[in-house]
Amino acid sequence: EVQLVESGGGLVQPGGSLRLSCAVSGFTFSDHYMDWVRQAPGKGLEWVARNRNKANSYTTEYAASVKGRFTISRDDSKNSLNLQMNSLKTEDSAVYYCAKVTFLSNGWYPSDWGQGTLVTVSS
Amino acid sequence: DIQLTQSPSFLSASVGDRVTITCRASQGINSYLAWYQQKPGKAPKLLIYGASTLQSGVPSRFSGSGSGTEFTLTISSLQPEDFATYYCQHLKSFPLAFGQGTQLEIK
Repeated sequence: EVQLVESGGGLVQPGGSLRLSCAVSGFTFSDHYMDWVRQAPGKGLEWVARNRNKANSYTTEYAASVKGRFTISRDDSKNSLNLQMNSLKTEDSAVYYCAKVTFLSNGWYPSDWGQGTLVTVSS
Repeated sequence: DIQLTQSPSFLSASVGDRVTITCRASQGINSYLAWYQQKPGKAPKLLIYGASTLQSGVPSRFSGSGSGTEFTLTISSLQPEDFATYYCQHLKSFPLAFGQGTQLEIK
């Protein structure tokens, strides 16, 4: 059974930092791309970042809203995905989901999602 | 950047109804489109990928169609468990983006 469990959320002041983690099991982590997606309270989904697999040199992509402040990384030996978030702003407050990205049909699609971890940026 | 616009934003329907949600892309995205269902307090669930392929385990009352800039998600006969919010997402190029969502409510 595929499982993704996020952790590391909490309350942080504007300008502060937080590191989210996503522990995965039930699939070969090293084969898959991974995404972070967030959802502000009462709002829609926003894609945040992608980390490709070793075969694709662990390359990364970011949304413009987080580029230069957030860093996505992974540790294949620990089946873990991370999101280092620096210079946090109030508008970064959201539930953060990690998602397993699978090659399906014609491309890489987020096929399985964790339950999310809440980040609140407030003074 | 490619934007997605869903319509309607809110939809009220009854059990047994056939409903259609539209997702329009600001430029052509071939068939690099996914549909998700999200229930309150839960993670999104992948329903359809490649614009029209049903994800494993998803009931056949769900179907997707379209290519280029216009896409639809159809539920052929609404069941009580289908009342949720639905999102489209394009995967054509970065940054990836979601539509604003369609909230499907019980009439």
